[in-house]
Amino acid sequence: KAGVTQTPRYLIKTRGQQVTLSCSPISGHRSVSWYQQTPGQGLQFLFEYFSETQRNKGNFPGRFSGRQFSNSRSEMNVSTLELGDSALYLCASSSNGGGSTDTQYFGPGTRLTVL
Amino acid sequence: GENVEQHPSTLSVQEGDSAVIKCTYSDSASNYFPWYKQELGKGPQLIIDIRSNVGEKKDQRIAVTLNKTAKHFSLHITETQPEDSAVYFCAANSRLRGSARQLTFGSGTQLTVLP
Repeated sequence: KAGVTQTPRYLIKTRGQQVTLSCSPISGHRSVSWYQQTPGQGLQFLFEYFSETQRNKGNFPGRFSGRQFSNSRSEMNVSTLELGDSALYLCASSSNGGGSTDTQYFGPGTRLTVL
Repeated sequence: GENVEQHPSTLSVQEGDSAVIKCTYSDSASNYFPWYKQELGKGPQLIIDIRSNVGEKKDQRIAVTLNKTAKHFSLHITETQPEDSAVYFCAANSRLRGSARQLTFGSGTQLTVLP
């Protein structure tokens, strides 16, 4: 079975721009969760999508948004980029969601640098 | 919100020795506790997980113990090898708000195995 894939792997943007990241979950998984990883804050939960609906949301501003398509692929968007948005963005897929006892499988991440 | 504390933040051991990493959690209703290993430039990879209906689980050189009363769980790696060097994260499926749950991660432990 193919693992979780994320594109692109690296991105460089400037302040004020917007960015869209993509995640393809493991085949058959309906839940996709997004995390931001930084050296200072660690792994922080952004949001989770399940069957095309946002099910959970972390404590991030409205500039961070996402969506999920009928094939379970998910995108996250960050508008009006700030320097502090530089991070590794990870997505994880699971059968029933991150709050269950199902295993979450992570992708390799997208490294976003904001200049 | 609920939190997960992880100690130590760095750990150096000689090849062949054992390594122990400890985590405590605050949400008494958490019932799923995975451990992830993250190598440089990669996404976190699940190495072992435990559900709250058992107190210990073992997989070759890796074991996890869970003490629900004290709300802590530990990762034990025996006969460490240089390829075990990585950052290790613990997590618990903690309450976000209301009845919603999501994985909450510890701050990570940088394990270095010295040859």
